[in-house]
Amino acid sequence: AQSVTQPDIHITVSEGASLELRCNYSYGATPYLFWYVQSPGQGLQLLLKYFSGDTLVQGIKGFEAEFKRSQSSFNLRKPSVHWSDAAEYFCAVGPILTGGGNKLTFGTGTQLKVEL
Amino acid sequence: KAGVTQTPRYLIKTRGQQVTLSCSPISGHRSVSWYQQTPGQGLQFLFEYFSETQRNKGNFPGRFSGRQFSNSRSEMNVSTLELGDSALYLCASSLEAGGGNTIYFGEGSWLTVV
Repeated sequence: AQSVTQPDIHITVSEGASLELRCNYSYGATPYLFWYVQSPGQGLQLLLKYFSGDTLVQGIKGFEAEFKRSQSSFNLRKPSVHWSDAAEYFCAVGPILTGGGNKLTFGTGTQLKVEL
Repeated sequence: KAGVTQTPRYLIKTRGQQVTLSCSPISGHRSVSWYQQTPGQGLQFLFEYFSETQRNKGNFPGRFSGRQFSNSRSEMNVSTLELGDSALYLCASSLEAGGGNTIYFGEGSWLTVV
């Protein structure tokens, strides 16, 4: 069965510092990977996705993620964190096959706190 | 272009009642899926509809049901509500099912069961 692990439940960084949120997945084939962000009381906003091709993907709000097949990882990075980035971040994996459905399996999330 | 729209945003129900939540996908999207989010269980897949047919179902009791209409709008229903059904219910839509389609989420419906 597919699974997603986000080993860090909480992370605190200073504004302006770099950020890396970890995500490891277990899947039978090359998966379809997402990062979403959720602000308090809100829904999920898509930051970026990896489907195929270049393993370094760029997203919105200055985020990027790198797919590493050998490590089954899809870590999210940002060079300089802003106070408005404080939120909960979710990594998710889904089926890649056309017609394979849209069932996403989510990690447990990483709560990011930004110190001013 | 409007995003995924969910109604109502907030509601309070009593144990034993039933509730219906509505989701309007992004225009042109034909796949709609539902998720339950709770502090204890996180984000869990409920079910997915494509062209009015349920394609996938998560591990939830039969009290949870859904449907999709010809205009791709979807509803989910929870009967005989329990306190544990209190959660944020999220709807997501995409153009097609799978194949690398981007999946967009709505703002969610907050259900409180008292």
